[in-house]
Parts: sequence; structure tokens; C-alpha cells
Amino acid sequence: AQSVTQLGSHVSVSEGALVLLRCNYSSSVPPYLFWYVQYPNQGLQLLLKYTTGATLVKGINGFEAEFKKSETSFHLTKPSAHMSDAAEYFCAVTWGGGKLIFGQGTELSVKP
Amino acid sequence: DTEVTQTPKHLVMGMTNKKSLKCEQHMGHRAMYWYKQKAKKPPELMFVYSYEKLSINESVPSRFSPECPNSSLLNLHLHALQPEDSALYLCASSQDGQETQYFGPGTRLLVL
Repeated sequence: AQSVTQLGSHVSVSEGALVLLRCNYSSSVPPYLFWYVQYPNQGLQLLLKYTTGATLVKGINGFEAEFKKSETSFHLTKPSAHMSDAAEYFCAVTWGGGKLIFGQGTELSVKP
Repeated sequence: DTEVTQTPKHLVMGMTNKKSLKCEQHMGHRAMYWYKQKAKKPPELMFVYSYEKLSINESVPSRFSPECPNSSLLNLHLHALQPEDSALYLCASSQDGQETQYFGPGTRLLVL
């Protein structure tokens, strides 16, 4: 079955440090890929997406992600963490048909 | 504008009550979705409407009844819910069933 794996349910970084959140999918057919962020008691906000074209995708709030087909990965990075980045991050993929498959989520904590 | 609105923000209901959740988008999207999200978990797909027709029902109990009166509006009618139905209910929309889903802020439901 097609699935999405986020490595690490909880990641903690210091303010100003690099943020790296990992996402891998299981399929030989590349999907459309997304990262969403969810702040406490809020809905999901789209950070960035990859559908076709350039494999390095820039999103909002200084985040970016690179699609690596050979590694079936779509890791999310930000060069310098800010306290306001503390939230839950979900990687999601779709192969169409209206079904978005989510990873289990990674909670990002940012220490002052 | 990528806004999806949901009302109410919070809802408390007894197990014998009937209530409805409302979702609205004015982006011209033709696909709309209902998700259920428990704490610290990813959203779980419940229903998908495509061009105002129900296209996916993920074996949701009949105490949840979706309705799509027009292309901008999606309702979720609730009746005889159980305490385990307490969750955050998220609505989303996309251009069609293939593309990026945009989420609303959610309705926090508590069933007593």
C-alpha cells in the first residue's frame, strides 16, 4: 500500500539552528507532494508543494523542500529556526483521485 | 485568495442532539472534503464531493451525513453522535480532485 513516513514524531532545535524534517513515500510512481503546518487549535496551512518542474521548492516562512526521486524523499528545511516555527508539520502526498495521504506528523519545538 | 471558512468554531452537543457544520469557499473549486482529526494525529478523510456529487465515502457511520447544496457550500449533519466522535473537523477544497487542497480552520466538536 502507498504510504508516507515522517521520521521523528518530535524534533527539537535551538532558535537560529537548521530545521530538517524528513519525509519519505513508498511508491515507484512519483506523487504530488505537500508540506502543511498546523498551529495549536488551527487548521492546516499549506507551506509548499511539488507537482512538476524544479525539484527544489520554496515555500512560505522561509521553508523549502527538495524532491529526490531516487530517494523517494521530500525533506523540509529552514536555515534558521524561529520561535514562531513551533508547530506540527505534516507531509502529504497524492496520486490523484481526491485522496491525500498524510504522514503521522512531526512536532517541532524551538528552544530559545 | 485561498480561504476556506468553517462555522461554528466550537460546538458542544449531547448524544441525542442534531447539529450541522458548515464549510464555504469562494475560490471556484469543484472538489470539497471533510476530514476528522484527533489530537496528535493526522487528518482522516471522511467524504469527498466532486462537482457537487459524493465521490468518496470512507465507510463513515451514518450518524454523519454530508450535503453539498452548491459548488461553494458543504455541510456535515450530525445526529446521535458518540463521545468518541469528539474531534477537530476540517473542511478542505481543491480546484478538482487532483490538485492542492486548502484547509479551513476547523470546528472543534465535543460530544457529551
